[in-house]
Amino acid sequence: EVQLLESGGGSVQPGGSLRLSCTASGFTFRNFGMSWVRQIPDKGLEWVSTVTNGGDVSYYTDSVEGRFTISRDNSKSTLYLQMNSLRVEDTAIYYCAKAIYYDGLFEYWGLGTLVTVSS
Amino acid sequence: DVVMTQSADSLAVSLGERATINCKSSQSVLDSSNNKNFLAWYQQKPGQSPKMVIYWASTRESGVPERFSGSGSGTDFTLTITSLQAEDVAVYYCQQYHSAPYTFGQGTRLEIK
Repeated sequence: EVQLLESGGGSVQPGGSLRLSCTASGFTFRNFGMSWVRQIPDKGLEWVSTVTNGGDVSYYTDSVEGRFTISRDNSKSTLYLQMNSLRVEDTAIYYCAKAIYYDGLFEYWGLGTLVTVSS
Repeated sequence: DVVMTQSADSLAVSLGERATINCKSSQSVLDSSNNKNFLAWYQQKPGQSPKMVIYWASTRESGVPERFSGSGSGTDFTLTITSLQAEDVAVYYCQQYHSAPYTFGQGTRLEIK
């Protein structure tokens, strides 16, 4: 059974940093692209970032480019999102998602972790 | 960026009736190299994470009931639920995965009439 468990969310002031983690199990992690998708509570979904299976290629939505960094440790089956210079508008539930067939097709999603940016 | 627009923010359908949710992309998501539409549908039930139900516009994910079907090509797509059940109450999102940034529709909230 595929499981994705996010952690690292919390409350932070504008300009602060957080590091999210997503621990994966139930599949061969190194074979699949992984992504972060966020959702303002009770609002829509927004893709944030994707990293390819080998970790060598990553891409971001414009609003987080230069502030967020996605990475992965295939030996630990763990995905990360380093978030710096956080803004109020980054407040959301952050989901980790496993790709299938193509990096942007999200086959499985984690339960999410809430990030709140507020002064 | 490809903008995804769902025709309704909410939809109320009676139990046992057909529910139809429409989605339009600002650019074609049909890939000429493999003749596939890079369009997925996700279901998000209250308090849960999204779940993929349809991909390649019309391929049902394993375990998804047969009453769910997807259709369309190019820029216009439809998710149909025949014989609506109470457990189908959810928000449904379309998404294009043809090119980054991968974009979602705004969501359609499906309720029981």
